[in-house]
Amino acid sequence: EAGVAQSPRYKIIEKRQSVAFWCNPISGHATLYWYQQILGQGPKLLIQFQNNGVVDDSQLPKDRFSAERLKGVDSTLKIQPAKLEDSAVYLCASSLYRLAGGLYNEQFFGPGTRLTVL
Amino acid sequence: AQKITQTQPGMFVQEKEAVTLDCTYDTSDPSYGLFWYKQPSSGEMIFLIYQGSYDQQNATEGRYSLNFQKARKSANLVISASQLGDSAMYFCAMREGGRGGADGLTFGKGTHLIIQP
Repeated sequence: EAGVAQSPRYKIIEKRQSVAFWCNPISGHATLYWYQQILGQGPKLLIQFQNNGVVDDSQLPKDRFSAERLKGVDSTLKIQPAKLEDSAVYLCASSLYRLAGGLYNEQFFGPGTRLTVL
Repeated sequence: AQKITQTQPGMFVQEKEAVTLDCTYDTSDPSYGLFWYKQPSSGEMIFLIYQGSYDQQNATEGRYSLNFQKARKSANLVISASQLGDSAMYFCAMREGGRGGADGLTFGKGTHLIIQP
């Protein structure tokens, strides 16, 4: 079974430029998450999709970050314009749809995209 | 207030010794799940073990066990017979059940574990 795919693996841009990351979840996984991991910290949830709908984007900086999952499969995360503090690893994860009341819902993580903003 | 606290930024342990990684959490939701992930230098997040708030027994997975003390709100990871390949960052994370369909994880800052030969 193929894992979560992400591209690119590395990206270097200058501040105020735009950048986009792509994620392809595990086949059949209805739920997709984007996390931001700043160096030395744990991942922080940015947005959660259930199929092509947004479930939680409360921690997404909406003035510069946007994400979409148009067909309920692949997803893109965009930053426009980038700031120095956006330098981080962006992790995509996916999981099967969680049954109501079920807490165990393992998330499978991709390899991440390491973004450096100069 | 932090929801997940990992107080050990780094640990050095001799190979074959047991190691305990600390994690305390804060939630008012009676329904929650606790997870431990391993992140090697390559960067991928590897799921290790899960404990639900209503589980009566401590979770175990091979060399990993979770020392769950609900009243103290702690969920320490115990690795028995440590190996050189256990050297990595370890993250404790929580999912709270009372948030409808929103079930993203809240992570701690992690513990950097180094196993010495």
